Amino acid sequence: EVQLVESGGGLVQPGGSLRLSCAASGFTFSNYAMTWVRQAPGKGLEWVSAIVGSGGSTYYADSVKGRFTISRDNSQNTVSLQMNSLRDEDTAVYYCAKDRQRSTGWYGYFDYWGQGSLVTVSS
Amino acid sequence: EIVLTQSPGTLSLSPGERATLSCRASQSVSASYLAWYQQKPGQAPRLLIYGASSRATGIPDRFSGSGSETDFTLTISRLEPEDFAVYYCQQYGSSPYTFGQGTKLEIK
Repeated sequence: EVQLVESGGGLVQPGGSLRLSCAASGFTFSNYAMTWVRQAPGKGLEWVSAIVGSGGSTYYADSVKGRFTISRDNSQNTVSLQMNSLRDEDTAVYYCAKDRQRSTGWYGYFDYWGQGSLVTVSS
Repeated sequence: EIVLTQSPGTLSLSPGERATLSCRASQSVSASYLAWYQQKPGQAPRLLIYGASSRATGIPDRFSGSGSETDFTLTISRLEPEDFAVYYCQQYGSSPYTFGQGTKLEIK
């Protein structure tokens, strides 16, 4: 059974940093791109960042480029999102999601999602 | 960036009725790389449809997707009580991969 479990969310002041992690199980982790998608309270979904299975390519939304860094550890089956210079507008539930398509690249649609980790940026 | 506009914003129907949800793209979505997700309160989204018309694993056949280029539709043939939720379309043909703003399907 595929499972994705996020951790690391919490309350942080504007300008602060936070690191989210997602532990994956139930599939061959290195064969799939992984993506972070966020959802602000009461709002829709926004793609944030993605990383291909090898870790060799990464992708970022313009809204987080230069502030967030995605990485993965295929030996530990984890994907992480380092978030720096956090802003009020980064407040959201952050989901990690698995690409449906096994690939060396990034297809960008998702068949499994974690339960989400709430990040609140507030003074 | 491709903007996806979903309509209506809210759809009020009764169990047993047919639901038709629309997703319109600001530019053609290449290779019909369009997906639909269902999200219930407090839950993560669930993949329903990919490639505009292919049902994801375990999705009942009352859910169907159609369309191409800029106009896409999700149809639920006969609504079950568990189908009342928010539905999002997403295009993954052109980066950045974008989502629509959602259609809330509520019980009439």
